[in-house]
Amino acid sequence: DIQMTQSPSTLSASVGDRVTITCRASQSISSWLAWYQQKPGKAPKLLIYKASSLESGVPSRFSGSGSGTEFTLTISSLQPDDFATYYCQQYNGYSTFGGGTKVEIK
Amino acid sequence: QVQLVQSGAEVKKPGSSVKVSCKASGGTFGSYAISWVRQAPGQGLEWMGGIIPIFGPSTYAQKFQGRVTITADESTSTAYMELSSLRSEDTAVYYCARDRGAAVGISWFGPWGQGTLVTVSS
Repeated sequence: DIQMTQSPSTLSASVGDRVTITCRASQSISSWLAWYQQKPGKAPKLLIYKASSLESGVPSRFSGSGSGTEFTLTISSLQPDDFATYYCQQYNGYSTFGGGTKVEIK
Repeated sequence: QVQLVQSGAEVKKPGSSVKVSCKASGGTFGSYAISWVRQAPGQGLEWMGGIIPIFGPSTYAQKFQGRVTITADESTSTAYMELSSLRSEDTAVYYCARDRGAAVGISWFGPWGQGTLVTVSS
């Protein structure tokens, strides 16, 4: 299985901050990576697919980049609704997910 | 716009089985894959397997082979996930989700069902 490692596991930030989350794959996955946002008690919500393609309806402050083994999710200006846990997922083979990054209020 | 609605919470005894349903509306059920992903309390996400209803055979993650059965009923636009030989470690929220690519599990997922909590306890 392809292992996905996210960092940091927890991130403290303020409204308006630029936030970056990193995801690393144990082997090259080309651009076959997605990002999700999950709030407590809710299902994950798709934000980004194919490393940098923004899902319809997702605010443009979210962006993704990277290829191969290293990827980033950036929130350009953190909003109150963005405090949540974020997961990366590879789909170069059968899907595996990163351990999550919790974005909390500083 | 595809929407997925899952069945309600379940409490099961160790060694028993559970069957969770996922009813789809919108889109053309059968033409897209449905996957199942679980999340243990306070833990991350784990893909279990999926199905493309019009093709029939399901695909399973190796970890769950022999213990999970995923089926679909095109007449009711409903997918099912049955997990047998339950143990306490199977306590989790189980989600169904639409695969957006062509191959089961080798795809990004969206939308997701609301989740079904399965509690395994004696």
